[in-house]
Amino acid sequence: EVQLVQSGGVVVQPGGSLRLSCAASGFTFDDYSMHWVRLVPGKGLEWVSLISWDGDDAYYIESVKGRFTISRDNSKNSLYLQMNSLRTEDTAVYYCVKDTSGGYYGLDVWGQGTTVTVSS
Amino acid sequence: EIVLTQSPGTLSLSPGERATLSCRASQSVSNNYLAWYQQKPGQAPRLLIYTASHRATGIPDRFSGSGSGTDFTLTISRLEPEDFAVYSCQQYGDLPRTFGQGTKVEMK
Repeated sequence: EVQLVQSGGVVVQPGGSLRLSCAASGFTFDDYSMHWVRLVPGKGLEWVSLISWDGDDAYYIESVKGRFTISRDNSKNSLYLQMNSLRTEDTAVYYCVKDTSGGYYGLDVWGQGTTVTVSS
Repeated sequence: EIVLTQSPGTLSLSPGERATLSCRASQSVSNNYLAWYQQKPGQAPRLLIYTASHRATGIPDRFSGSGSGTDFTLTISRLEPEDFAVYSCQQYGDLPRTFGQGTKVEMK
């Protein structure tokens, strides 16, 4: 079964740091680009970051550039999101998401989500 | 950045009725790389449609997508009870890969 299993939710203070992790199974992890997408309360889905299959290329939404870092360990079939200098507006459910072959067919497999609450 | 605007914000319909959801892009979507997702409370989104009009694996044929360029539509031909949810469009032809704000389909 194709699966993405994410780490548990957490509460962190503004200015704090956090690393999200996502374990993939049931598919050849290093064949695919991977993404982080967040569901912001009252605002809908927001794409956050993308990493290429080999980890050589990474892209971010403007509001997290310089604060968040996406990475992957293909030997462990794992995806990560290092989140620094967290702000209250980063509060959201974060999803680890698998891209499709060549990126042509949308985002087809989603993790269960990790709730991140940034609050003092 | 391509801005996607979905309308209406909320659609109140009864089971068996037809739902028509709109997604309008601020500029042309490359190669019509436009997807639709369904999300229910407490669940992850599910891919319904890719490249504007192709149903994803396992998606019932009552869901259909159409459109090109800047105007796209998701149609649910006859609403089933399990179809009441939030629907979001996403363009994946350009970075950043933006989403619309979502349309909630609620039971009347």
